[in-house]
Amino acid sequence: GNSVTQMEGPVTLSEEAFLTINCTYTATGYPSLFWYVQYPGEGLQLLLKATKADDKGSNKGFEATYRKETTSFHLEKGSVQVSDSAVYFCALGLNTNAGKSTFGDGTTLTVKP
Amino acid sequence: NAGVMQNPRHLVRRRGQEARLRCSPMKGHSHVYWYRQLPEEGLKFMVYLQKENIIDESGMPKERFSAEFPKEGPSILRIQQVVRGDSAAYFCASSPAGGNTGELFFGEGSRLTVL
Repeated sequence: GNSVTQMEGPVTLSEEAFLTINCTYTATGYPSLFWYVQYPGEGLQLLLKATKADDKGSNKGFEATYRKETTSFHLEKGSVQVSDSAVYFCALGLNTNAGKSTFGDGTTLTVKP
Repeated sequence: NAGVMQNPRHLVRRRGQEARLRCSPMKGHSHVYWYRQLPEEGLKFMVYLQKENIIDESGMPKERFSAEFPKEGPSILRIQQVVRGDSAAYFCASSPAGGNTGELFFGEGSRLTVL
């Protein structure tokens, strides 16, 4: 079956530090990969996505590259801000059954000034 | 606001009562999904519905939980005879029909507390 494993948290960084949150997956078929972000008390929002191997998704300074050879989709940001404090979820989705997307357990990021 | 709308945002129930959570998908979306997020855990798929049809309910507990998405009106997740372990955030998501890459659009969630 499909599964997503992401780096356990919590992660605490100082402002302007470099961020990496690891995500690996197993899937049958050809999934799309996503990073969602959940700010305190809110629902999930799509942060970025990649629909095929070697695609790079990017948004708000965050990036992730779809690596089929390593089955990974690691999230990176060169310089984090306090406002990036949130929970980050890696997910995979199949267009044959979009709603049954598989989510990782989430990684809580806290950025201190 | 054309986003996914969920209500109530917060709901408190005593053990044994019923909880009803509502979700209106984004305009133009005909697929609705319910996820549950237990405290300090990730999201777990519960059920996938299209209008008047349950497509996949493999994540739904066998008892006390039911979901519907009628021809008119919002999707409803119903929990009968709630227990403390049902306390969680319940998220609804929607997607358009056909040709989609798996992206989901989430509501802000309904947080159920069972006393």
